[in-house]
Amino acid sequence: GESVGLHLPTLSVQEGDNSIINCAYSNSASDYFIWYKQESGKGPQFIIDIRSNMDKRQGQRVTVLLNKTVKHLSLQIAATQPGDSAVYFCAESRIREKLTFGTGTRLTIIP
Amino acid sequence: NAGVTQTPKFRVLKTGQSMTLLCAQDMNHEYMYWYRQDPGMGLRLIHYSVGEGTTAKGEVPDGYNVSRLKKQNFLLGLESAAPSQTSVYFCASISRGKNTGELFFGEGSRLTVL
Repeated sequence: GESVGLHLPTLSVQEGDNSIINCAYSNSASDYFIWYKQESGKGPQFIIDIRSNMDKRQGQRVTVLLNKTVKHLSLQIAATQPGDSAVYFCAESRIREKLTFGTGTRLTIIP
Repeated sequence: NAGVTQTPKFRVLKTGQSMTLLCAQDMNHEYMYWYRQDPGMGLRLIHYSVGEGTTAKGEVPDGYNVSRLKKQNFLLGLESAAPSQTSVYFCASISRGKNTGELFFGEGSRLTVL
């Protein structure tokens, strides 16, 4: 069935290193993808988005890559900092007003 | 600018009791959502609203009701709480005119049903 899933539930990265969080989706009709960050005890916060007519988009220290051939999405965080420790969710949208979220990956930055 | 405010932040209920979660946003957003978050399950959409007076079912609507009588408020009701409804509930909103998925979330409401 349709799903948005993550390859790894947890990821530990040394401070200063780059991190890559992966996400798979199964519906080729999905045309919009978003990454959210959720810190402990808080609601998710928007990080970056990408549309299906793009394969890469960059923000501040973050890059999202989209591979439509294998239905794969990734979030790269450069030069990780302690504040990057959080749970990261990918989400996909086929209908403008509805997002479907993945199960999340917990990123831990090791000092 | 408060953004999205949820009340209460914590609540403990006994099975069969009823309660209402209130979500208020001060950003004049047309779309509002209620999600629940369970360990290992991510965020699942319960109900949503695309405007005052309209509501629609999400992927897990059973056991919940909602109302959007005012544009700024979206209420989530549990008529007869069950232990399976123990969860963290998040409200979110977005402007219809904004062509992105940048939902603005509240801080969450942790509900425990005994």
